[in-house]
Amino acid sequence: ILNVEQSPQSLHVQEGDSTNFTCSFPSSNFYALHWYRWETAKSPEALFVMTLNGDEKKKGRISATLNTKEGYSYLYIKGSQPEDSATYLCAFRGSGYSTLTFGKGTMLLVSP
Amino acid sequence: EADIYQTPRYLVIGTGKKITLECSQTMGHDKMYWYQQDPGMELHLIHYSYGVNSTEKGDLSSESTVSRIRTEHFPLTLESARPSHTSQYLCASSATGGNQPQHFGDGTRLSIL
Repeated sequence: ILNVEQSPQSLHVQEGDSTNFTCSFPSSNFYALHWYRWETAKSPEALFVMTLNGDEKKKGRISATLNTKEGYSYLYIKGSQPEDSATYLCAFRGSGYSTLTFGKGTMLLVSP
Repeated sequence: EADIYQTPRYLVIGTGKKITLECSQTMGHDKMYWYQQDPGMELHLIHYSYGVNSTEKGDLSSESTVSRIRTEHFPLTLESARPSHTSQYLCASSATGGNQPQHFGDGTRLSIL
């Protein structure tokens, strides 16, 4: 069973704060790393699919970096807004596997 | 707006009943997945399909079964529901290709009394 860890488990910040979360995954046999945002009462929504070591992706105020050699990815949110409140999931796909293994997620709450 | 639909959103039902959770997608995706999630836990893959007449078991053992007779439809069935089946069930689909994101439905919250 592949081990995908996310930290912190939860985070409470004030509007305007910048924040970041970590996703750790096996450093061998890497194929892809996915990030999803899951708002309460909605369905998970894809943010990024990252494949190359050193990859950086950006979508508005959200960006992500990838280090496949050491097995981690960071998700950054610049100037958090209340609408950013959600659970952020990462999912790892290993080489030779056709499916994703998800972490437990980081629950972000942004207060006005 | 959703292109993948799950019904029902919520289901409370007694032990021993046969249940079918519906999942349909309009994107023409070949790959479809069922995940189970308990509170505070990660999504666990229980079934997946690569196309019509293809079904595979996921990482988490499940007493449920699935079928894929049509590309757009991937229902999950529990022949005899038990309280241990109480959970949230999420359906997803993705296009063919190595690094396609998954598109999720809104999920079904199942409670077995």
